[in-house]
Amino acid sequence: ETGVTQSPTHLIKTRGQQVTLRCSSQSGHNTVSWYQQALGQGPQFIFQYYREEENGRGNFPPRFSGLQFPNYSSELNVNALELDDSALYLCASSLGQGGSPLHFGNGTRLTVT
Amino acid sequence: ILNVEQSPQSLHVQEGDSTNFTCSFPSSNFYALHWYRWETAKSPEALFVMTLNGDEKKKGRISATLNTKEGYSYLYIKGSQPEDSATYLCASRYGNNRLAFGKGNQVVVIP
Repeated sequence: ETGVTQSPTHLIKTRGQQVTLRCSSQSGHNTVSWYQQALGQGPQFIFQYYREEENGRGNFPPRFSGLQFPNYSSELNVNALELDDSALYLCASSLGQGGSPLHFGNGTRLTVT
Repeated sequence: ILNVEQSPQSLHVQEGDSTNFTCSFPSSNFYALHWYRWETAKSPEALFVMTLNGDEKKKGRISATLNTKEGYSYLYIKGSQPEDSATYLCASRYGNNRLAFGKGNQVVVIP
C-alpha cells in the first residue's frame, strides 16, 4: 500500500510569485484535503477534493486554488504569494467523505521572502 | 470554523509515568472527534476516530474517551515510553470530513 507523498519537501519563493504543490493520495483513496499549518498553530483546512470536484473550502482567498486528477492525485496552487503564506502545507487523503481517518503526507515547507 | 482547544500545550513526562491531556470542542453539530500522533520528521498518524458519547478507544498504552454533551475528549498514555514523544493533535469534524484542529499537545518523555 503506497502512502501519501508530497513534493517538493521544501521551497523558497519571493513575494508575488506563484507556487504549485503536489500530492499523490494513498492507493484507493478518492478524497484529498489540503491543510495549512502556520508556526504555532494547528492545521487549518484549505479545501477538499472528491472525485475531481472541489467539495468544500475553508477561509482562504481565491488565490488559493487546486485540482484533483483522475488518478486522485492533487495540486495546490497559490498565486501572488504573501509573506503570511509561509507555512507547512499538508495533504491528506481519505476514502469517501464519511468518518474515515485522514492519511497525511509529510508536508511541503514553503518559505516566502 | 470550530474552535478546538488543547491543554496543556506542552508537557514533560518521566519515563514510566502515566499522563493525560484534554481536547475541548463545540458540542453543537458534533460529527466526530479525531486524534492524531505527529512525530518529528514524520507525517501525522491517525490514532482514533470517535463518534459516540461515552465512547472509549484503546491502542496499546494509549486510550481516549469522548464526552459529546459537554464537548471534551481525554487522551491517556499509560507508562510513558520515549517513543511516545510526539505532538498529539485532536480535531473536530464538521461538514464532509473537514477537520478543525487544535494546536496540539507536545509530549516529551524523559528517559
